[in-house]
Amino acid sequence: EIVMTQSPTTLSVSPGERATLSCRASQSVNSNLAWYQQKPGQAPRLLIYGASIRATGIPARFSGSGSGTEFTLTISSLQSEDSAVYYCQRYNNWPLLTFGGGTKVEIK
Amino acid sequence: EVQLVQSGAEVKKPGESLKISCKGSGYSFAKYWIGWVRQMPGKGLEWMGIIYPGDSDTRYSPSFQGQVTISADKSISTAYLQWSSLKASDTAVYYCASGVIITTSFDYWGQGTLVTVSS
Repeated sequence: EIVMTQSPTTLSVSPGERATLSCRASQSVNSNLAWYQQKPGQAPRLLIYGASIRATGIPARFSGSGSGTEFTLTISSLQSEDSAVYYCQRYNNWPLLTFGGGTKVEIK
Repeated sequence: EVQLVQSGAEVKKPGESLKISCKGSGYSFAKYWIGWVRQMPGKGLEWMGIIYPGDSDTRYSPSFQGQVTISADKSISTAYLQWSSLKASDTAVYYCASGVIITTSFDYWGQGTLVTVSS
């Protein structure tokens, strides 16, 4: 079974600064990777699919990159409302899925 | 408007059975996979399994195979997650989610159902 590992566990970033989150797959998932944002008390929200395609309504400051086993979610200029936990999810063997452990983004 | 509406919070005792629901509206429910995701208190998201309501094709995460049962009734656009004998460790928020526009990811989510198992 493919394992998804996210790092760091927690990231503290000042408003306006760049946040870089990492997701690593134990085997290649090609570009079959999604990113979700979850704020406290809310359901997750799809940010990115296909490793780099923003979902509808997602601000341009969110971008995804990578393929194979290494992926990155970048928030180019962190806003206060971006404080959340971010999860990657592989779907290379749809409909079988795996989430990563999550990265908590805090506002410094 | 696509919506997934889940049943309300439950408080159960260990050993009891439970079935929670997720009703879809605003789209062709039978044509899109709908999955279940567990979130234990203070923890991350865990994919439990998924069903295609059109033919009830169901897949489970190895971690949840045999522990829960996923089903769906396409006639009433509702998916279910059930337990035959709850444990305290089943205490969690359970989300249903579906890929409607982006069919290989979960672009629509239910509001979550809190299940508390305590003696």
